[in-house]
Amino acid sequence: AQSVTQLDSQVPVFEEAPVELRCNYSSSVSVYLFWYVQYPNQGLQLLLKYLSGSTLVESINGFEAEFNKSQTSFHLRKPSVHISDTAEYFCAVRRHQGGSEKLVFGKGTKLTVNP
Amino acid sequence: ETGVTQSPTHLIKTRGQQVTLRCSSQSGHNTVSWYQQALGQGPQFIFQYYREEENGRGNFPPRFSGLQFPNYSSELNVNALELDDSALYLCASSLAGGGRNYGYTFGSGTRLTVV
Repeated sequence: AQSVTQLDSQVPVFEEAPVELRCNYSSSVSVYLFWYVQYPNQGLQLLLKYLSGSTLVESINGFEAEFNKSQTSFHLRKPSVHISDTAEYFCAVRRHQGGSEKLVFGKGTKLTVNP
Repeated sequence: ETGVTQSPTHLIKTRGQQVTLRCSSQSGHNTVSWYQQALGQGPQFIFQYYREEENGRGNFPPRFSGLQFPNYSSELNVNALELDDSALYLCASSLAGGGRNYGYTFGSGTRLTVV
């Protein structure tokens, strides 16, 4: 079974500081990994995904994540955060279940960016 | 292109009652998945509907049931509500074929409170 562990439940940082949100997954033959962001009182928005190819994936708002197969990690990074990045971030892995697929999520990391 | 719409946004029910939550999928999508997100947790997969049939289910009791309609919209029904059913219920639509899903779009969710 595939599972996802987000190592930090809360990460407070100051504006313009770098941040890393950690995610580890249990190993599998093929892995598809995602980062979703959830702003207060909203649903989930896809931030970035790794399906295949380059192990470094980037989002349009400056976040990036690197797929590391040997360490079974998919950590999310941003070199300089903004107040508007305050949100909860979920790492997820896509898992086959019978004839369907589902997303298995970590418990989330709450990022708080302080002025 | 419309996104995923969920209704209602909030509701309060009494223990033992029944509730129906609704989801309109994104244009061009043929699959709907439902997730339960308890406070402080990541979303948990409830079930998925494809071609109007349930084709994948998570670890939820039978009192959680659903429907998918010919226009691909969906309902989640929960009978005999319990206090622990209080959560944000998220609907995600996707385009599926050959047992694979090609990208999920999440709605903003329905916040259910059971008192």
